[in-house]
Amino acid sequence: EAGVAQSPRYKIIEKRQSVAFWCNPISGHATLYWYQQILGQGPKLLIQFQNNGVVDDSQLPKDRFSAERLKGVDSTLKIQPAKLEDSAVYLCASSFTSGGVPYEQYFGPGTRLTVT
Amino acid sequence: EDQVTQSPEALRLQEGESSSLNCSYTVSGLRGLFWYRQDPGKGPEFLFTLYSAGEEKEKERLKATLTKKESFLHITAPKPEDSATYLCAVQPPGQNFVFGPGTRLSVLP
Repeated sequence: EAGVAQSPRYKIIEKRQSVAFWCNPISGHATLYWYQQILGQGPKLLIQFQNNGVVDDSQLPKDRFSAERLKGVDSTLKIQPAKLEDSAVYLCASSFTSGGVPYEQYFGPGTRLTVT
Repeated sequence: EDQVTQSPEALRLQEGESSSLNCSYTVSGLRGLFWYRQDPGKGPEFLFTLYSAGEEKEKERLKATLTKKESFLHITAPKPEDSATYLCAVQPPGQNFVFGPGTRLSVLP
């Protein structure tokens, strides 16, 4: 079974530039998550999709971050404009969903973003 | 505010020296508690899910237990390849997952 795919793996940009990350979840997983992980900390949820609808985006800085999941499969996360404090690893995860039971999430390798 | 804490922050063990990692939570109710392993430069890898107090799960040298306010990850006779950061995450009712900061484990040969 193929895992969660993410690209690019690394990205270096200057502040005020824009950047986009792509995620392809495990086949059949209806729920997709984007997390931000700052060095030395646990992942922090940015947004959760179920199929192509947003379930939770309460911690997404909507003035600069946006995300979409067209057709309920692939997803993209965009930052525009980037700030120095956005330097982090951006993780995508997916999970099976059934009857409201919390299932484990499977993570991709992440994209390491450096903003200079 | 719901909180998840993990202790110790870092742990160094000699190969074969058993120990336990702690995950404490102050969420109001719990739908599930998850343990993950994270190697440098990689995404977290799922280990265990625990749903109710008294539940235990085992996998190789790892055993996870759950009480009403904390979970332990017991590592028996660890090997150098067990070196990683161990993360726990909880899901309170009606809310999304909250991760702890992790415990960095180093197992020396």
